[in-house]
Amino acid sequence: DTEVTQTPKHLVMGMTNKKSLKCEQHMGHRAMYWYKQKAKKPPELMFVYSYEKLSINESVPSRFSPECPNSSLLNLHLHALQPEDSALYLCASSPTTGNEQFFGPGTRLTVL
Amino acid sequence: GENVEQHPSTLSVQEGDSAVIKCTYSDSASNYFPWYKQELGKRPQLIIDIRSNVGEKKDQRIAVTLNKTAKHFSLHITETQPEDSAVYFCAASRSGGYNKLIFGAGTRLAVHP
Repeated sequence: DTEVTQTPKHLVMGMTNKKSLKCEQHMGHRAMYWYKQKAKKPPELMFVYSYEKLSINESVPSRFSPECPNSSLLNLHLHALQPEDSALYLCASSPTTGNEQFFGPGTRLTVL
Repeated sequence: GENVEQHPSTLSVQEGDSAVIKCTYSDSASNYFPWYKQELGKRPQLIIDIRSNVGEKKDQRIAVTLNKTAKHFSLHITETQPEDSAVYFCAASRSGGYNKLIFGAGTRLAVHP
């Protein structure tokens, strides 16, 4: 398996909902990332996990909560989001933190 | 802070022409420079990358050049095809550490048949 997968592809949620985004890779990569991408903008880094430990939190609001249950899985738990959080959420992985990053297809999130 | 400037923001070429996208980075410690292609509604796809110990790298119709002194790097696409139409992002990072990619703003390339 040479791809990063993400579920769901699309998600619509209300501001009071709790939902989770999932990311999976089976390439043996030890670094995983969450990015947020708004239309016509580059990906914006949110979190970095290295060897299942949170390495970077780019001052992301606490309504976004990442989790790395094991070396293949990365979750992003969402709670009390705002409409401005609507975006494409991309997961990426790399062999270690010093190498090329490979992106998943993303989850398109709409917050109503 | 760290910054990557990318030009042009849009580029329109005829099929078969060449396309060049240029990026300038501010962090002189940057030593890894990937290029991503993102088609509408799709994931960013790594198409080529270069490290600072190399001045040029080619892969079929795509090449990247790096000028460390000027802190410039460029993507060259030859014999463009309609399927090359996409948004292209350059990025820069330091290898080692946590490999935070600093992205350029993107170039929307349109290749007209």
